[in-house]
Amino acid sequence: GAGVSQSPSNKVTEKGKDVELRCDPISGHTALYWYRQSLGQGLEFLIYFQGNSAPDKSGLPSDRFSAERTGGSVSTLTIQRTQQEDSAVYLCASSLVRQTSNYGYTFGSGTRLTVV
Amino acid sequence: SQQGEEDPQALSIQEGENATMNCSYKTSINNLQWYRQNSGRGLVHLILIRSNEREKHSGRLRVTLDTSKKSSSLLITASRAADTASYFCATDVSEWNYGGSQGNLIFGKGTKLSVKP
Repeated sequence: GAGVSQSPSNKVTEKGKDVELRCDPISGHTALYWYRQSLGQGLEFLIYFQGNSAPDKSGLPSDRFSAERTGGSVSTLTIQRTQQEDSAVYLCASSLVRQTSNYGYTFGSGTRLTVV
Repeated sequence: SQQGEEDPQALSIQEGENATMNCSYKTSINNLQWYRQNSGRGLVHLILIRSNEREKHSGRLRVTLDTSKKSSSLLITASRAADTASYFCATDVSEWNYGGSQGNLIFGKGTKLSVKP
């Protein structure tokens, strides 16, 4: 597609439920990143995928968070047993290459997750 | 710990004035990038400056980089009400291994710019 697409744009869930957030990157972009942004804060790195390499999961805050990227394209971020502190905007980005020496990232519009 | 720190946290100016935002960082970098965010949603890439560059221009944007001081500035000239947004600097440290990598781009908390018509 023309841009990075994320769905849903908004999600309200009850505490303890599982949620899945989807990211469809720009076609041909080999690198995909997930960040989250709490209200009024900067972006917190969660995980990134580069081609067929093992993902860098070093930013995942707990084992309730997991992500996969199928076929090197679409990615799903799953949060199990959601907690109120998980409420944030989850942003996905993609880029042509892992090292952004020439290009910046292209971000999606994000999924605003609210845990009640 | 936060790699990039923007200064000021908030800036309010009149349309037509110039806006200057600063970013300081702690570690060696491959490049530094500035992004813009409207209404807490997706970020838009504005400009990238490599570690061996000192200044870069793009339209009304001017970015400087001082690697000796580990700082960068973003200047928006002749600001418009439509420039109202949050601006983030992000550092690419991908060529340096700091262990416990936070990913390729490490973002600051941003400067909230308000341009009044």
